[in-house]
Amino acid sequence: AQTVTQSQPEMSVQEAETVTLSCTYDTSENNYYLFWYKQPPSRQMILVIRQEAYKQQNATENRFSVNFQKAAKSFSLKISDSQLGDTAMYFCAYVTSGTYKYIFGTGTRLKVLA
Amino acid sequence: NAGVTQTPKFQVLKTGQSMTLQCAQDMNHEYMSWYRQDPGMGLRLIHYSVGAGITDQGEVPNGYNVSRSTTEDFPLRLLSAAPSQTSVYFCASSYGLAGTDTQYFGPGTRLTVL
Repeated sequence: AQTVTQSQPEMSVQEAETVTLSCTYDTSENNYYLFWYKQPPSRQMILVIRQEAYKQQNATENRFSVNFQKAAKSFSLKISDSQLGDTAMYFCAYVTSGTYKYIFGTGTRLKVLA
Repeated sequence: NAGVTQTPKFQVLKTGQSMTLQCAQDMNHEYMSWYRQDPGMGLRLIHYSVGAGITDQGEVPNGYNVSRSTTEDFPLRLLSAAPSQTSVYFCASSYGLAGTDTQYFGPGTRLTVL
């Protein structure tokens, strides 16, 4: 069975600094997708970034980028120039290609300090 | 578009009571799913549907029933509520293929079972 592990329950970062959130996963599949979702205090789940396992190039979305290490089964999220609005829970998620059973990690609570 | 809507936003039940959590989307999405979110557990998939008339179990289906009679609606039924079902419930939808299509989440329903 696939698993997703986020080992950092809480993190903090100063405004304008860079922070990296860690995620590791376990799967025997070769084709899959990985995601980072943001959940602000409003509780709304928002997709931050998506990575396709067959693509070696790391995904980027503005200030958000990932470091995808397929062999190590690692998928970290880097947030550059952190903003107060980045304060939220961040969830790492996995889904095997062709299935619909998404698996989420337990989340990392990020606080951006002014 | 209203996106994914969930009703009610909050609900308190007594043990043994039944209720239905409503979920609707107006984006003509084929895929819909229900998750529960518990502290320290992340999101766990309860049931999902890949189209009208087609449903399947997720990671934690016990105690919950679903049906999909229309593309727009995907209600979640608790037949006999238990305190262990106290949680925040999220409905999500996407156009189709797992991973390639963005999953949109509703605002959540906070359920308390006394």
